[in-house]
Amino acid sequence: NAGVTQTPKFRVLKTGQSMTLLCAQDMNHEYMYWYRQDPGMGLRLIHYSVGEGTTAKGEVPDGYNVSRLKKQNFLLGLESAAPSQTSVYFCASSYGRSSYNEQFFGPGTRLTVL
Amino acid sequence: DQQVKQNSPSLSVQEGRISILNCDYTNSMFDYFLWYKKYPAEGPTFLISISSIKDKNEDGRFTVFLNKSAKHLSLHIVPSQPGDSAVYFCAASGRQYTGNQFYFGTGTSLTVIP
Repeated sequence: NAGVTQTPKFRVLKTGQSMTLLCAQDMNHEYMYWYRQDPGMGLRLIHYSVGEGTTAKGEVPDGYNVSRLKKQNFLLGLESAAPSQTSVYFCASSYGRSSYNEQFFGPGTRLTVL
Repeated sequence: DQQVKQNSPSLSVQEGRISILNCDYTNSMFDYFLWYKKYPAEGPTFLISISSIKDKNEDGRFTVFLNKSAKHLSLHIVPSQPGDSAVYFCAASGRQYTGNQFYFGTGTSLTVIP
């Protein structure tokens, strides 16, 4: 099993450009998440999904959109990139049971917006 | 407003000694806590968890202690090994959060000196 994979690993954008980050998981998890990690800020939740076709906002959703058309994939879109979106982006997934469950993380995507 | 805080950005410990990483939280509704370990250029990996019905949980060399009245948890690593050198994040959640959401601290970088 590959676990959680993220595409691409690195990307450089110019201000105003758009892009989509792809997350895929092969663990049949119900829940998926997108985080960003910035120096001194820890991991902050952008958006999450509790199942195919559903999405919800996290702590820092502005400037991002997401889609979960298939259970195994969770896409993060930047419509008009800004330098403030320079960050490392992590995708995660977890089981969708009633009790708490650990989240499994992908390796991250390092995005630079010039 | 940071609900989960790790006030020590870094910690250095000699190999074989005890490492103690600390985490404080402000939200009294949090009732489940996780510790994650992160190596450079990788995603975080789950280490150990604790529920608020317990005050201690052990897993091999790793022990997590929870002091609910002080809203404080700590991770003890005994004995510390060079391979433990990584960034450690604590994370917290509560029943009021849908989708198995966790709030993460800012991380503590542990260096174990051989």
